[in-house]
Amino acid sequence: QVQLVESGGGVVQPGKSLRLSCAASGFTFINYGIYWVRQAPGKGLEWVAVISHDGSEKYYADSVRGRFTVSRDNSRDTVSLQMNSLRTEDTAVYYCANGVGNFQGYKYGMDVWGQGTTVIVSS
Amino acid sequence: QTVVTQEPSLTVSPGGTVTLTCASSTGAVTSDYYPNWFQQKPGQAPKALIFSTSNKHSWTPARFSGSLLGGKAALTLSDVQPDDGAEYYCLLYYGASRWVFGGGTKVTVL
Repeated sequence: QVQLVESGGGVVQPGKSLRLSCAASGFTFINYGIYWVRQAPGKGLEWVAVISHDGSEKYYADSVRGRFTVSRDNSRDTVSLQMNSLRTEDTAVYYCANGVGNFQGYKYGMDVWGQGTTVIVSS
Repeated sequence: QTVVTQEPSLTVSPGGTVTLTCASSTGAVTSDYYPNWFQQKPGQAPKALIFSTSNKHSWTPARFSGSLLGGKAALTLSDVQPDDGAEYYCLLYYGASRWVFGGGTKVTVL
């Protein structure tokens, strides 16, 4: 079955960096875009970034553009989110999810979600 | 700044029907926004229910349906079960590769 597992969360000081990973299994990874979505404590969902199936398209929310970078390794079925210049407002559970349709169909929305990894930015 | 608005909370009786809506600050929601709906229970990851307005995932119960209603995206829960009590989020695609979630609707089954 389709499974996504996030890792790499932790506690980090403001201004520092952290790298999250999303390991995928159970589907043809190279055919699907992958999203990152976050949820601050007690708050709603916020789209963070998305990468297309082949990595040629990468898009970011205004709140993270220029600080976060999404990448993928299709040989290892993994997607990474490099988070630099972290702020206290980046504190959240970070989820990855696969696109609902293959290739450009990722734009139609999200399918299966991982369980999330927690990032706490605090001095 | 684009805002997607949902009802903060709704209450429904077991066996009843409830409709959640999702409005955009930019105007009427159409199928071009590819509305998605997600269910989230406390302490759990969100679970996808509907994509592209009305398409169900393989695991989505038949009593959940998506549509466009009066310029908004809508999620209707029919024959509501106690287990349907949860937070529900909509997601809209604004083109220029930007996605925006609604603030969520807490559905209480009482």
